[in-house]
Amino acid sequence: NAGVTQTPKFQVLKTGQSMTLQCAQDMNHNSMYWYRQDPGMGLRLIYYSASEGTTDKGEVPNGYNVSRLNKREFSLRLESAAPSQTSVYFCASRHTGTGSYGYTFGSGTRLTVV
Amino acid sequence: AQTVTQSQPEMSVQEAETVTLSCTYDTSESDYYLFWYKQPPSRQMILVIRQEAYKQQNATENRFSVNFQKAAKSFSLKISDSQLGDAAMYFCAYRSANTGNQFYFGTGTSLTVIP
Repeated sequence: NAGVTQTPKFQVLKTGQSMTLQCAQDMNHNSMYWYRQDPGMGLRLIYYSASEGTTDKGEVPNGYNVSRLNKREFSLRLESAAPSQTSVYFCASRHTGTGSYGYTFGSGTRLTVV
Repeated sequence: AQTVTQSQPEMSVQEAETVTLSCTYDTSESDYYLFWYKQPPSRQMILVIRQEAYKQQNATENRFSVNFQKAAKSFSLKISDSQLGDAAMYFCAYRSANTGNQFYFGTGTSLTVIP
């Protein structure tokens, strides 16, 4: 099925370890996003990529890096994981241009840092 | 940054009844879009309905409709004939039409459907 694919779905890390969350979309969307979801706080934007070759910080970028590898793929890297990064991470993509285009979300990654 | 407020952390409804979820937002812009997303226990975020601020007519998608009050900055979601499958977390979201890369989400309302 067409959509946004995230891997892995679950991950446990030790404090200080690094990992990369992968995201790919097959809808030819220009824009891609990484959000984190924490209880009682909704979804907060970490980084986004408005188009291939560009990335920008969102609301909570500290401790993360991103790479827009090509139009399809947008990865999120934690260089040195901290317990405060325990969260559910969502990748999303969106068609850009005028219009009320919503996000298409991946199924999320539950990350626990111990 | 725009703020989106969902003042009802939890709601419940009897199956086949109607429920309304509230959302208010704060913005100085006149052109924007509003959305309701559903997140069932599977964790997948699903777009339920969207509204363009320039449209006076309230959006409707089958059993889901909105009450958009632009002056009051209110965007409530009405679910009619509630079904067990409607049980989920519901998020309200805002996106500027002019600087529209970021969506701003509310903190969510957990809806329970009672058989």
